[in-house]
Order: sequence, then C-alpha cells, then structure tokens
Amino acid sequence: QVQLVESGGGVVQPGRSLRLSCVVSGFTFTNYAMHWVRQAPGKGLEWVAFMSFDGNDEYYGDSVKGRFTISRDNSKNTLYLQMNNVRAEDSAVYYCAKDPSARVWGYFDYWGQGTLVTVSS
Amino acid sequence: DTQMTQSPSSLSASLGDSVTITCRSSQAISNSLAWYQQKPGKAPKLLLYGAFRLGSGVPSRFSGSSGSGTDYTLTISSLQPEDFAAYYCQQYYSNPYTFGQGTKLEI
Repeated sequence: QVQLVESGGGVVQPGRSLRLSCVVSGFTFTNYAMHWVRQAPGKGLEWVAFMSFDGNDEYYGDSVKGRFTISRDNSKNTLYLQMNNVRAEDSAVYYCAKDPSARVWGYFDYWGQGTLVTVSS
Repeated sequence: DTQMTQSPSSLSASLGDSVTITCRSSQAISNSLAWYQQKPGKAPKLLLYGAFRLGSGVPSRFSGSSGSGTDYTLTISSLQPEDFAAYYCQQYYSNPYTFGQGTKLEI
C-alpha cells in the first residue's frame, strides 16, 4: 500500500535551518510529482511547495519563497524540504503529499502522517 | 492568487442527516476543485477531485457539484459516525494552490 513517512521535525530557533524528509513506498516514486503542505496548530491547510517527477520544475508558496527549497532523490524514494531562516509563523505540521500526475495536477491523492516543526527561541 | 471561501465554518448535524458545504472561488477554476476530510490528529484524506469525481475507496454518500465556474458544493448523505470531521476544499486550477478555511462537522 502507498506510504509516505515524514521525519526531521522538531524545535528550531528563529533564523536557523531544518531539513525535512519524506520516504515513500508502495508506488513508483519516479513517476509522480510531489508536494509539501503545512498546517499550523488549530489552523487550516497551506500548500508550501511542489516538485515534478524529474525535479525539473518546482514552485513555492509566497510565504516560503526564497527561504525553503524542495528537492528529491529518486534513487532513495525520498522527498526533502530544506527550511532556512525559519520564522515563528513557520511552526506547523508539515505533510508530504503525492500528486496524481508526473508533471502536476495540483491536488493530493495520498498524504503522510506529518512531522511537527516548532520555531521558538 | 485564487481565494477560496468556504461555508459554513462549523455545522451541527445528526446521524442519518444530509449536509451540504459550499466553497466559492474568487475566479473561475473550471472544476479544478478537490475536497478533503480530516479527522483530529490525522492527515487529510482525498474525497473528491474534479469537483465531482470520487477518490479511491470513498463511499458514494459523498458527492460534489458545481453551480458555476466559481461555486462548488460537497454533499454528504445519510451521515455516519465516521463522517464527523473537518472538511476542506482546494483549488488546483492555478498556482499557488489554495484551500478553503475548513468546515467542522459536529454532532
């Protein structure tokens, strides 16, 4: 069955960096685009970033553009989110999510269980 | 950016009831609309995409419709205990992909 398992969350000070990982199984990772979506505690969902199946296309939400970088290692079935210069408002559960297309449809047919990032001094 | 306005923000209903949640986009999105269900402490689950197409394994009591290029509805018929959760709409017509604020469905 399809599984997405995030890791790398934790407590990080403002202005520091953190890298999230998402290891997938149960489908051919190299055939699908992937996304990161986040949810602040008690709040709604916010799309963060997208990467195409081959890594050639990437998009970001305005709130993270220039600070976060999405990447993937297709040999390791792993998606990453490098978070630099984090702010308090980046505190959230971060989900990796699968796109049903190689390029992009833009909706999410499978989600991981999420990893919590808390930005605090 | 395309803004998604979802209503109501909360809804009380009883087992066996039928309920409707509405989502309005700030511009036409050509049925590029998905609905998700989220239970407390869990990841969202895809219910519908393309405004009315059921996701994998989703019961047929969930249905979606569009009244125009900007107005969309999710209807849940014959509410079951497992349906009490939060629901979100999301447009994927254009980047950035945006969500409605959510609707909490309570008993």
